[in-house]
Amino acid sequence: AQSVTQLGSHVSVSEGALVLLRCNYSSSVPPYLFWYVQYPNQGLQLLLKYTSAATLVKGINGFEAEFKKSETSFHLTKPSAHMSDAAEYFCAVSDRNNDMRFGAGTRLTVKP
Amino acid sequence: DTAVSQTPKYLVTQMGNDKSIKCEQNLGHDTMYWYKQDSKKFLKIMFSYNNKELIINETVPNRFSPKSPDKAHLNLHINSLELGDSAVYFCASSPDSLYEQYFGPGTRLTVT
Repeated sequence: AQSVTQLGSHVSVSEGALVLLRCNYSSSVPPYLFWYVQYPNQGLQLLLKYTSAATLVKGINGFEAEFKKSETSFHLTKPSAHMSDAAEYFCAVSDRNNDMRFGAGTRLTVKP
Repeated sequence: DTAVSQTPKYLVTQMGNDKSIKCEQNLGHDTMYWYKQDSKKFLKIMFSYNNKELIINETVPNRFSPKSPDKAHLNLHINSLELGDSAVYFCASSPDSLYEQYFGPGTRLTVT
């Protein structure tokens, strides 16, 4: 079965600094990969997705992620953090054989 | 228009009671899900339901039962509530198990 591992349950950055949230996946067949964001007291919202087209995927709010098959990674980045980016971020993987699986989540804190 | 809606948003009840949470999606999706999110933000899939095929996570107690009156609705019924059932429950839908899921706003269940 497929799975994802998010490295770091909590990441803290200063406003304006680079955001890097790490995600590694495991899948026996070509995967679809997703990043979701969850703001306090809300449901999950899709940030971006990889579906076997371009390996560099751009999402909403200035986020992007790069699919690296050789490293089985799909890390999420944003060049300059904003206070409004503070939230919980989830990486997820799906494939034709299994339902979507979510990582444990990474809480992003942005310091002024 | 709200894509995936849940009611109620908050539910406080006593141990031993039976309660239901309703979910509706107006996206025309074929697949719906129920997730449980614990206090550490970990998302656990409970059920997926696709064209009348129910897939149950084997770790879910049989006190939990999904009920789907039609393709747009997947309600969650819980019997004999326990303290450990306290969590936030999310409904989600997707056109197919491979693709991104759209989440409802969540129902915060507190069992006292």
